[in-house]
Parts: sequence; structure tokens; C-alpha cells
Amino acid sequence: SQQGEEDPQALSIQEGENATMNCSYKTSINNLQWYRQNSGRGLVHLILIRSNEREKHSGRLRVTLDTSKKSSSLLITASRAADTASYFCATDAGGTALIFGKGTTLSVSS
Amino acid sequence: EAGVAQSPRYKIIEKRQSVAFWCNPISGHATLYWYQQILGQGPKLLIQFQNNGVVDDSQLPKDRFSAERLKGVDSTLKIQPAKLEDSAVYLCASIGKGGYEQYFGPGTRLTVT
Repeated sequence: SQQGEEDPQALSIQEGENATMNCSYKTSINNLQWYRQNSGRGLVHLILIRSNEREKHSGRLRVTLDTSKKSSSLLITASRAADTASYFCATDAGGTALIFGKGTTLSVSS
Repeated sequence: EAGVAQSPRYKIIEKRQSVAFWCNPISGHATLYWYQQILGQGPKLLIQFQNNGVVDDSQLPKDRFSAERLKGVDSTLKIQPAKLEDSAVYLCASIGKGGYEQYFGPGTRLTVT
């Protein structure tokens, strides 16, 4: 079964705009991760946020986590065409195996 | 360091045939995962190995799928016999000791006709 559900399913923006995608999950977690998948580089880890953290930054990425609402958001600032990809949130299932959502497909046009 | 290697990259078979996929994780990574990703969905865990032992195979359809990691390094995933609904990308991932970030291979795209 899939734990996380991303919203929106698809997002189209212009270069330079910000992109926000959300993730909701069902059960308690130890950490939440975001991954990016495109045809060129496969599935790549972007950022991890632990359950006791509320916000984390990495370059142009900002992740928030609200464990009371069982939700997370990923913000990509100043989007580039190279950010075009599918983005997945993934939660742990108690161990290190991940449960992925269905993903958000982001298209950034120049 | 070299990434996770998988082969073949693409495979087309007819239903009821058998197929095998190979994965070589990053050197030193004790934990290895196989995921199935159906088009339009996120990856779904099939099996997790710790060295050569199975940690979790609860979502592996054991009537047709099998996997092994005999020497605790590379791994093979087999489907026998294949069904149309097995068409998917099969991803292998590994994780370093104490880490949470999973490193994924390029995947094998299986088409069952």
C-alpha cells in the first residue's frame, strides 16, 4: 500500500517561479525523504527531514514537516528547466525500507 | 564511487516466460532493496536484504517472484511465470551502514506481452 500522497499530481510553471508540492501520509514516521526521478538520472535522493524537525533547507530546496497533520511540503525556489522531473515523498515503514507516494510531475518551461 | 548497477536495462518477454534481473549495489552497502514501479506510480518495495538474509519480503508475490543474494553482495530477482501486470520498472537500491538515503540503480524496464 502507498503511504504518501502527493499533491498536486502535476504542476507546470515558468523558469524562475517557485514550485510547491505537498505530501500527506498515514502512520507515524521516523523521517520523511523527498526523491526526484527523471529519465536521465533515475531516482535520486534530495533531502531527509526527521520527525523532530519542522523545516530543513538544502540549496534551493525547502522542506517542512508537520507531524500533527501528517504532512510535508517541498518548495523549489527559482525553478530551472533542469528541475523538470517527478518528485516523490517517501516515508519509513519502521525500518529503512521506504513507502513512496504516487509523485508530483513538475514541468518547468523556459 | 561507482553507483548501483543493474542489468539488463530493458527486457521484453511474452507472458508465462521467465526473466531474471541482476543488481550490484554500491561497494560495502549491506542493505539491498528491490522495488517495482508501475507506470504512473511510485516505487513499491518487493524485498529487502541485509547482507545475505531477507529482512522483509511481505510484498513479494512468492508464487511467481523469487530473489536471492547468496554472497551478500549482488542480487538477482526472478519472475516465473510472468504476467501482463508485471510490466514495470524494477529498481534496485542500496544503503550504507547507519544511513537512510537510498541509492538507486537505473532500473530494468520489463514489458510483458
